[in-house]
Amino acid sequence: DTGVSQNPRHKITKRGQNVTFRCDPISEHNRLYWYRQTLGQGPEFLTYFQNEAQLEKSRLLSDRFSAERPKGSFSTLEIQRTEQGDSAMYLCASLHKSGEVLFGPGTRLTVL
Amino acid sequence: AQSVTQLGSHVSVSEGALVLLRCNYSSSVPPYLFWYVQYPNQGLQLLLKYTSAATLVKGINGFEAEFKKSETSFHLTKPSAHMSDAAEYFCAVSDLYAGGTSYGKLTFGQGTILTVHP
Repeated sequence: DTGVSQNPRHKITKRGQNVTFRCDPISEHNRLYWYRQTLGQGPEFLTYFQNEAQLEKSRLLSDRFSAERPKGSFSTLEIQRTEQGDSAMYLCASLHKSGEVLFGPGTRLTVL
Repeated sequence: AQSVTQLGSHVSVSEGALVLLRCNYSSSVPPYLFWYVQYPNQGLQLLLKYTSAATLVKGINGFEAEFKKSETSFHLTKPSAHMSDAAEYFCAVSDLYAGGTSYGKLTFGQGTILTVHP
């Protein structure tokens, strides 16, 4: 068990391009969460999965955002037609049976 | 709806002094409460959690927090600050299932940046 991992750690892109991030949760954790954190703010919930099912999406998740967890293991978060306002740290987390939510190191996105 | 308020966006202490970071929450159901620490350009590390057992919770790195239902507070303390404690700290609240299991979706406060002076 090496914890939650995320790739890439940093992504710089031009406005209008598509980006995709990957999250590998702790293997026995069924629930996986995506959060977004902008500068000077606490993380905000985006969406979560129970195994492969996406059970809730925040109103923050516009139509340009899509998340998948095809086999109930890793998850991807795609942002289409990126905008400068999408610049943020994107955090993935998984839920331990003790109730602890454990976070990955995050992917920092910069949209130029 | 749940919410978390962290009083003080910046706290500055001297090395060896008491650390007190304030957190008040609002929840319609008994909450799970958490404190996380974040170092620059890193993810969040769990410091401690309250899950309806003991009201005084001890965490890593000498931190502890006390759940006070009457005050809806969950303040984080450390008796003696160390230079390595300088970071940003987040208080968070989680929904619970009806059966008392954590739902896992967290609502965070705005964060408190702790500065430790030599």
